[in-house]
Amino acid sequence: KNQVEQSPQSLIILEGKNCTLQCNYTVSPFSNLRWYKQDTGRGPVSLTIMTFSENTKSNGRYTATLDADTKQSSLHITASQLSDSASYICVVSDRGSTLGRLYFGRGTQLTVWP
Amino acid sequence: EADIYQTPRYLVIGTGKKITLECSQTMGHDKMYWYQQDPGMELHLIHYSYGVNSTEKGDLSSESTVSRIRTEHFPLTLESARPSHTSQYLCASSSGQLLEQYFGPGTRLTVT
Repeated sequence: KNQVEQSPQSLIILEGKNCTLQCNYTVSPFSNLRWYKQDTGRGPVSLTIMTFSENTKSNGRYTATLDADTKQSSLHITASQLSDSASYICVVSDRGSTLGRLYFGRGTQLTVWP
Repeated sequence: EADIYQTPRYLVIGTGKKITLECSQTMGHDKMYWYQQDPGMELHLIHYSYGVNSTEKGDLSSESTVSRIRTEHFPLTLESARPSHTSQYLCASSSGQLLEQYFGPGTRLTVT
């Protein structure tokens, strides 16, 4: 069964600290993996998208890694800011159809405290 | 920020009413999607479209219907709203080989 599991479910950190969010997936065949940031009451916004051949990709203070062999990804946030408080969603796409079926994780709810 | 819009942003409506959630995008994307998301849960695909006059049901069974008469417009209609339809509805469109999706701000629907 194709699944995307994220951990932790929620996380609280102090402003300025770093954190790492985890994503494990069983989706096959694999096409790409995306990390989205979703603010409360808003739609998700793409942070990174990685294909099979990419091991790491950065977007400002966000760095995503991908290990396609172990089917694991992580999102590292450096020097957290209050505006980083949001849900971070891991999404995996398969190659099974022209549509590129997406499998969504439930997200990690990050809260940054001053 | 993506040019994809949803209206209304919030809607409270009584049981049995007919409602239409609007979604429009100005990016010229062929593919558009509707997702349903409950608090703390993953997004579930309820409808998608490959282009004009093309609509398909998604993974999650939904009593809603959609239409795609114009490329930029993908409205979702509930003929008779029920409390079980209370949820957040997200519209998205995609482009490119990787089909990267751009999401609208969502419509929070409450059916009383």
